[in-house]
Amino acid sequence: EVQLVESGGGLVQPGGSLRLSCAASGFIFSDHYMDWVRQAPGKGLEWVGRIRKKVNSYTTEYAASVKGRFSVSRDDSKDSVYLQMNSLKTEDTAVYYCARVGRGFDIWGQGTGVTVSS
Amino acid sequence: DIQLTQSPSFLSASVGDRVTITCRASQDISSYLAWYQQKPGKAPKLLIYAASTLQSGVPSRFSGSGSGTEFTLTISSLQPEDSVIYYCQQLNSYPLTFGGGTKVEIK
Repeated sequence: EVQLVESGGGLVQPGGSLRLSCAASGFIFSDHYMDWVRQAPGKGLEWVGRIRKKVNSYTTEYAASVKGRFSVSRDDSKDSVYLQMNSLKTEDTAVYYCARVGRGFDIWGQGTGVTVSS
Repeated sequence: DIQLTQSPSFLSASVGDRVTITCRASQDISSYLAWYQQKPGKAPKLLIYAASTLQSGVPSRFSGSGSGTEFTLTISSLQPEDSVIYYCQQLNSYPLTFGGGTKVEIK
């Protein structure tokens, strides 16, 4: 079965850090770009960032709202993508989804919740 | 950044009705547009990519059209399970952006 499973969410204080993981199965992970998308409570979808594949030198793209604070990485040997979140703000509170990039975002994880609060 | 404006933000229709949602881009995005459906508490699901191509497994009552700056998602015969939120997304340039969403309700 093709699936993505996120983990690592939780409660963190403003200014803190958190690392989210997304484990892939059922497809050739290394063949795909991978993205992160978030959704604040009761709000719409916001694209967070992307990591390309090895042939594209694993280059990354970020939304302006997270650039310099968040970092996307991947480990193709573990079929996993990561989102390192530093200097967290209350407005980063959201459900975070990883997604496989095909012709659109064709596979999504179930999401992991991040709450930034003191 | 490319802004996507969805309209309406809310619509109410009866089972069997034909429903159309519009997504307007602030600049030309060719056909780099996708549509998603999101049920409460669940991850979004890809319905349409490249503006008009139906994702595998998606019912044929869903269709997409448009190019450039104006796009539509049509549900030819609304079913009870279609009463959820729909989002458009542009994949033409960074940052990738989503429309604000359209909530569809059954009358």
